[in-house]
Amino acid sequence: GQQVQQSPASLVLQEGENAELQCNFSSTATQLQWFYQSPGGSLVSLLSNPSGTKHTGRLTSTTVTKERRSSLHISSSQTTDSGTYLCAIHPSLLSGSFNKLTFGAGTRLAVCP
Amino acid sequence: EAAVTQSPRNKVTVTGGNVTLSCRQTNSHNYMYWYRQDTGHGLRLIHYSYGAGNLQIGDVPDGYKATRTTQEDFFLLLELASPSQTSLYFCASSDSTGGSSYEQYFGPGTRLTVL
Repeated sequence: GQQVQQSPASLVLQEGENAELQCNFSSTATQLQWFYQSPGGSLVSLLSNPSGTKHTGRLTSTTVTKERRSSLHISSSQTTDSGTYLCAIHPSLLSGSFNKLTFGAGTRLAVCP
Repeated sequence: EAAVTQSPRNKVTVTGGNVTLSCRQTNSHNYMYWYRQDTGHGLRLIHYSYGAGNLQIGDVPDGYKATRTTQEDFFLLLELASPSQTSLYFCASSDSTGGSSYEQYFGPGTRLTVL
């Protein structure tokens, strides 16, 4: 089945530094979502980016579909960015399970003041 | 933005107990999902549905039933709860009709502890 690998597993930054998170997936994806999970557990969708580059606030996602990879860049990190970042993909519309999201294990980010 | 709510937010029960987790979405999405999240396993799909009365089996369905009573409401039932079902449970919804982005929107989660 579909595999989603995220790297690094964890990352520690000083406030103001930038972060680059990676997501690699094993087969064609129709949709790719980046999520933020707070230390308390709530899950928030950050970006939906199946291909190309998308920006929202301090976040930039670049997905290269042919190479089956996506990145999430966080600029000027803040302590409130601390938490876990999850990448999830929908398989190709041609597969029988295109509505089933497959999640990576996440990158745990800690931003120190 | 999609609104997905879950209740209860926290639940403690004993082994063998009966638990029902509720989920409601208010954006007329056709798909709804139940996931569980455990350390070391990430988020895993339990059951999902593409409309009222429909149920599809996910990747980790054992020990769970689900029922979609209306477009808005999706329930997860644990009829004989076991400690292995202690987890954080998320409900989500998405729209798969023409032109949609297939994005999934998640509820706030229910933390279930089975003693």
